[in-house]
Amino acid sequence: DAGVIQSPRHEVTEMGQEVTLRCKPISGHNSLFWYRQTMMRGLELLIYFNNNVPIDDSGMPEDRFSAKMPNASFSTLKIQPSEPRDSAVYFCASSLVDTQYFGPGTRLTVL
Amino acid sequence: GESVGLHLPTLSVQEGDNSIINCAYSNSASDYFIWYKQESGKGPQFIIDIRSNMDKRQGQRVTVLLNKTVKHLSLQIAATQPGDSAVYFCAERPGGANNLFFGTGTRLTVIP
Repeated sequence: DAGVIQSPRHEVTEMGQEVTLRCKPISGHNSLFWYRQTMMRGLELLIYFNNNVPIDDSGMPEDRFSAKMPNASFSTLKIQPSEPRDSAVYFCASSLVDTQYFGPGTRLTVL
Repeated sequence: GESVGLHLPTLSVQEGDNSIINCAYSNSASDYFIWYKQESGKGPQFIIDIRSNMDKRQGQRVTVLLNKTVKHLSLQIAATQPGDSAVYFCAERPGGANNLFFGTGTRLTVIP
């Protein structure tokens, strides 16, 4: 199994630009999670989906952040407009029952 | 000004010794617990998990102990190797929920 796939692995952008992060969960998994990791706040859950439906988005920082899961094999996290404080590593994880398996992350730098 | 990040507890052990990493969790209603290992530049990697109806579970070189009375979780690594150097996170899942809540992590350094 290829595991959770995320793209891009690194993204450098300028403040105000739109950023789209992508995730392909492990085939057969029915839950997908987006996390953000920073030195200041550690690992934070942003949003999670169950069977492609958003269940809890209380961790999404503000309206500039949005996430979609159009089908069972693809999800996006979009930031528009991006700000320097959004700089972090963004992880996607998927699960079937209990264990969440993480992708390699996308390191986002907003200048 | 200077930014202040999370202060990660650190643990240094000699290669070959056993390591014990501790974690206090907050929710007495949590029914599932999990340990992850995160190496620099990588995503968290699953190590071992345990349900609340158990107090001990063993894997390959790793053991997780759960004490629900004091809400404490520990990870024991036998014969620690340099490749075990990483940040270790515990996480808990409240009963009925699907999401995990992560601790701040512990940095383990193995001295050759």
